[in-house]
Parts: sequence; C-alpha cells; structure tokens
Amino acid sequence: DQQVKQNSPSLSVQEGRISILNCDYTNSMFDYFLWYKKYPAEGPTFLISISSIKDKNEDGRFTVFLNKSAKHLSLHIVPSQPGDSAVYFCAARGPFSSGSARQLTFGSGTQLTVLP
Amino acid sequence: EAGVAQSPRYKIIEKRQSVAFWCNPISGHATLYWYQQILGQGPKLLIQFQNNGVVDDSQLPKDRFSAERLKGVDSTLKIQPAKLEDSAVYLCASSHSRLAGGLGELFFGEGSRLTVL
Repeated sequence: DQQVKQNSPSLSVQEGRISILNCDYTNSMFDYFLWYKKYPAEGPTFLISISSIKDKNEDGRFTVFLNKSAKHLSLHIVPSQPGDSAVYFCAARGPFSSGSARQLTFGSGTQLTVLP
Repeated sequence: EAGVAQSPRYKIIEKRQSVAFWCNPISGHATLYWYQQILGQGPKLLIQFQNNGVVDDSQLPKDRFSAERLKGVDSTLKIQPAKLEDSAVYLCASSHSRLAGGLGELFFGEGSRLTVL
C-alpha cells in the first residue's frame, strides 16, 4: 500500500525553465512534508519542507506547494540548472506510532534531468 | 562536522550467506535509523533507535534481520540468511530528535549496496 506516490519516474527540462515535480499522498494524518534530493552514490539530502497548516513554502529557487484537499504537493524549481539533475524524493511524516516514534514515508522518486 | 559514516559501500554475497553493515551517526545525534531502498523505490524504514533503545522496528523482518546500537552511538545491521529480495541499498540516517523528519533533520549516509546472488 503506497501512501506516498510519485507517478513520474523521470522528467527532463531545459536549463533556465521551470521544473515541476509532483507527489500525491493518501493518508490524511500526514502533518509534515519534505523533499529530499539524491545524487548517484550519495545519501539523500534535505531540500525543503512544508507543514500541513501551510500551502506554500519558498526557499530561493525552490518552492513547495501543498493542496490538502487534493492530497497533492509539488516542488517547483525556477530557474532549473544542470546541477539540479538528481533524484527527488517526497516524504511525509505520519502520526505517532509505536514507542513514540514518527515515521517518514517516502515516494519512489523522480529523476530530474536538466539539459544545458 | 563529519557526516554519517557507513561501511562497507558495496557487498556481494550468495543467498543464505550472512552480511553486516556498520553505521556511525553524526556526533551528538541521539536518533538513528536504518532504511532499505530497493531499486526504483523510495527508502523504507526498517528500524529506529533512540540512544541504545529501539523505538520502532515494526517493519524489520525479524526472522532474518537484526540490528543493535549497544552504546548509543554506532549501530550494526545484520542479515542472516540473506535472500535474493534483500538486494538493496541500506541507508543509515541520524537526527537530533526522535520526531522523525521534522524540520528536515534527517541526515543520511552514502549507503551500503548489497547484491545477493
């Protein structure tokens, strides 16, 4: 049961244009959403996040939008640069489970390629 | 500041053999996580430690996987016996807080890639 879905395995964008990566989720109990970026042979690194009480968060070239009613979030990168080429994972934080732990549930990732 | 260290980076074994992965988290991070990432999928949490205690191992296949964090610092993840479907990258992550993922505070290591033949 995939609670966090990234339906596009790959995306190619021209340098300077906008990249839009999408993520859908099913669990209405998720209260915090994050995007991680992963280069080959490296671990994922945190990029940007958004709380469920907000609908937008911006950090430089990166903006995350959250549509709670549609259970959808998106990451916008403007302008896109070749160095942005990586796999992008969205992740959602669930409610407290066993032992006062809170889990991150990850999507399957989208490979972004920014063409020079 | 040193990042999360993992070893070995790569391991190839035959099915039914055993393997162990080691992780050294960022200094001062009380919470340590092991994730399994199968090719084409996102990371899936296997186990979460708070200091040397387990706070969540609900998705750990306990018949073959085990993990420990004896002194609340380094951790070892073991698979015995390995199956073909265990082929994956095993990621270790650490954070200041047990409130996993809040404020993007998960720091990942480079991962250990396991191939089971």
